Amino acid sequence: AQTVTQSQPEMSVQEAETVTLSCTYDTSESDYYLFWYKQPPSRQMILVIRQEAYKQQNATENRFSVNFQKAAKSFSLKISDSQLGDAAMYFCAYCTRVQGAQKLVFGQGTRLTINP
Amino acid sequence: DVKVTQSSRYLVKRTGEKVFLECVQDMDHENMFWYRQDPGLGLRLIYFSYDVKMKEKGDIPEGYSVSREKKERFSLILESASTNQTSMYLCASTRDGTNYGYTFGSGTRLTVV
Repeated sequence: AQTVTQSQPEMSVQEAETVTLSCTYDTSESDYYLFWYKQPPSRQMILVIRQEAYKQQNATENRFSVNFQKAAKSFSLKISDSQLGDAAMYFCAYCTRVQGAQKLVFGQGTRLTINP
Repeated sequence: DVKVTQSSRYLVKRTGEKVFLECVQDMDHENMFWYRQDPGLGLRLIYFSYDVKMKEKGDIPEGYSVSREKKERFSLILESASTNQTSMYLCASTRDGTNYGYTFGSGTRLTVV
């Protein structure tokens, strides 16, 4: 079974600086998807970024980018120019398929604090 | 604006009560999911459904059941609530054949006393 590990329960960063959140996963599959979700205090889960395993190029969405190392099974999230609104829980997730439905396996989460 | 709606934001129930958590989506999605979220454990899958009246157990189905009588509605049932079921419950949905992640509801924080 696939597993996802986020080894940093909490992280903090100064506003406008860069922070990297770590994620590792375990799988025997060769084709899959990886996601980072953000959960602010409102509790609404928001998709931050998505990576397809067969693409070598790292995904980027504005200030958010990933460092995808397939051989190492590592999928870290880099947030540049951190803003107060980035404060949230961040979850890494691996996508597998069961009965044709995509099933997400989540990590434990990292709470990110932004210091003004 | 497409969305997944969970009927209650906060819920307090007594031990032994039968509890229903309701989830409705307006996107005509085939697949719906129930997760529970606990500190330090992340989100864990309880049950999911890939079609009306179809259900599959997730990783932690014990103590729960589900019902999907209509495509847009997916209910999570706690037959006899216990204090260890105090948690945040998140519903999500996704369209079949896609790999764009889930659309989530805003969660129900359930406290069993």
